[in-house]
Amino acid sequence: EAGVTQSPTHLIKTRGQQVTLRCSPISGHTSVYWYQQALGLGLQFLLWYDEGEERNRGNFPPRFSGRQFPNYSSELNVNALELEDSALYLCASSLQDNSPLHFGNGTRLTVT
Amino acid sequence: AQSVTQLDSQVPVFEEAPVELRCNYSSSVSVYLFWYVQYPNQGLQLLLKYLSGSTLVKGINGFEAEFNKSQTSFHLRKPSVHISDTAEYFCSLMFSGGYNKLIFGAGTRLAVHP
Repeated sequence: EAGVTQSPTHLIKTRGQQVTLRCSPISGHTSVYWYQQALGLGLQFLLWYDEGEERNRGNFPPRFSGRQFPNYSSELNVNALELEDSALYLCASSLQDNSPLHFGNGTRLTVT
Repeated sequence: AQSVTQLDSQVPVFEEAPVELRCNYSSSVSVYLFWYVQYPNQGLQLLLKYLSGSTLVKGINGFEAEFNKSQTSFHLRKPSVHISDTAEYFCSLMFSGGYNKLIFGAGTRLAVHP
């Protein structure tokens, strides 16, 4: 069984630019979660998508957004990048709510 | 409000020694508790979970944790660690609303030395 895959693995952007991160969940999983792991801040919940709908979002500004496609893959978009957006962005999927999360290896975003 | 506190940011230990990674939580409602491990340059992997039932939970790689409701703790233990256990360990909790409300602690870096 293929795990959660994320692309790209690394990304370098300049402040003010926009970025799109991608996530493919495990086959059959309908829920996708995005987390930000910034240095020293642990994992912060960003977004939850299920069945194509945004179900919940964490305490992040609106320039963080995303969507889930009919095949349950997902994109995370970050506009107007700021230096503090530098972090590892982790995607996770689950079969349904209340079942264990399976994480991808993340996308390392560096904003200069 | 719910929160998770991992009491040690770093734990150095020698190979084959026992280890305990401490986790306390705060919640006014019932919670489910988890430990995840993150190896360098990888995502998180579920080590073990407590949903209900026996308070002693056994996970993968020889780890176990004990849920203590009176002390609101969920400490992770391993009787004998290996070099390969070197990683970041995250304690997390979930309350009503499902996994979208999974709250993580700040992490404990376990460094196993030969």
